[in-house]
Amino acid sequence: DVKVTQSSRYLVKRTGEKVFLECVQDMDHENMFWYRQDPGLGLRLIYFSYDVKMKEKGDIPEGYSVSREKKERFSLILESASTNQTSMYLCASQQQEPNYGYTFGSGTRLTVV
Amino acid sequence: GEDVEQSLFLSVREGDSSVINCTYTDSSSTYLYWYKQEPGAGLQLLTYIFSNMDMKQDQRLTVLLNKKDKHLSLRIADTQTGDSAIYFCAESINNQGGKLIFGQGTELSVKP
Repeated sequence: DVKVTQSSRYLVKRTGEKVFLECVQDMDHENMFWYRQDPGLGLRLIYFSYDVKMKEKGDIPEGYSVSREKKERFSLILESASTNQTSMYLCASQQQEPNYGYTFGSGTRLTVV
Repeated sequence: GEDVEQSLFLSVREGDSSVINCTYTDSSSTYLYWYKQEPGAGLQLLTYIFSNMDMKQDQRLTVLLNKKDKHLSLRIADTQTGDSAIYFCAESINNQGGKLIFGQGTELSVKP
């Protein structure tokens, strides 16, 4: 069964810390995505990547960066965590055939105090 | 720009049918999807429909697509308490390299 693994389910960090959220997929997918999910706001795209060492800004990239050094791993970096980055973070990878759907990880609930 | 709209809440009684509706704006969408999110979990692909189809049935799930009105619906027959979750509609956008655009999600509550 295909898998997207996010390294932590729950994380608590202090304001100003540098935070790394890791995502690994075992399906050899080229496309990977990072979203954040907040009540009433749905899913908002932060960054995405269509290939190794390639990244594109999504709708809300401010305060975030990403790294894709290997095809299977897509990391989200909060350069200096702030309380308004408290959220659920979801990673996804995208298959090509047959339906271009996403496979999501279980999510990381990040609390910044 | 592209937009996907859903109502936020739906409440049904166990055993009834649930119908979750979605409207989208991009007529070039090739695939439309329904995802399910249980509490504290990621999203799971429930079903999808190709844009040249009107209907797709998969056990208790029926997807209807009205391309003229850009309307997608998900019907869950004989709804169970285990169906309580948030359901997201999504469309794939050809001209954005395959990114999916998600609705805000409909929270389905099933009462015994």
